[in-house]
Amino acid sequence: GDSVTQMEGPVTLSEEAFLTINCTYTATGYPSLFWYVQYPGEGLQLLLKATKADDKGSNKGFEATYRKETTSFHLEKGSVQVSDSAVYFCALPVNQGGKLIFGQGTELSVKP
Amino acid sequence: EPEVTQTPSHQVTQMGQEVILRCVPISNHLYFYWYRQILGQKVEFLVSFYNNEISEKSEIFDDQFSVERPDGSNFTLKIRSTKLEDSAMYFCASMDISGNTIYFGEGSWLTVV
Repeated sequence: GDSVTQMEGPVTLSEEAFLTINCTYTATGYPSLFWYVQYPGEGLQLLLKATKADDKGSNKGFEATYRKETTSFHLEKGSVQVSDSAVYFCALPVNQGGKLIFGQGTELSVKP
Repeated sequence: EPEVTQTPSHQVTQMGQEVILRCVPISNHLYFYWYRQILGQKVEFLVSFYNNEISEKSEIFDDQFSVERPDGSNFTLKIRSTKLEDSAMYFCASMDISGNTIYFGEGSWLTVV
């Protein structure tokens, strides 16, 4: 069945470091792919999305490219800030009804 | 920007009590969902709702759970007799007819003691 696998956390980086959080998926067809972010004590916020192969989603300096050939949607940011500290979830819809399955989440901690 | 709103933000209840979590989805959205996240674990799908009926539910969503859209704006999750293991963050979400993106609320923390 469909699944999402994320790299394990926690990830600890210094401010201005480069970030990569890996996400790979198994899916039937070519669904949209999403990254959601959960800041401490808050709910899930959509960070970015890509709707088809080779699309690049971007927001707040974060980027992720939908790679069909490697079934990946890795999240990257060139220079992280302390305010980026959060848990990041990769997700994909498994049917037309919009049901999402999530990766296990990757906690990012950015130190000054 | 339109948003999904949830109440209460936090509720503490005794085991065996009924709980109702409330949500106001984004106004022009037609698909509604409940998800939950047990502390430190993955976000899990509970149920989807479309056209005034449940369209899909997970194994977690047993007879103790029910959903309702009592009017044109609210979408509720009821847990009839809470158990300790129901303690979690419950997220409401909604999606528009285009099916492109699901938007989540801030969540309701439920603590069962």
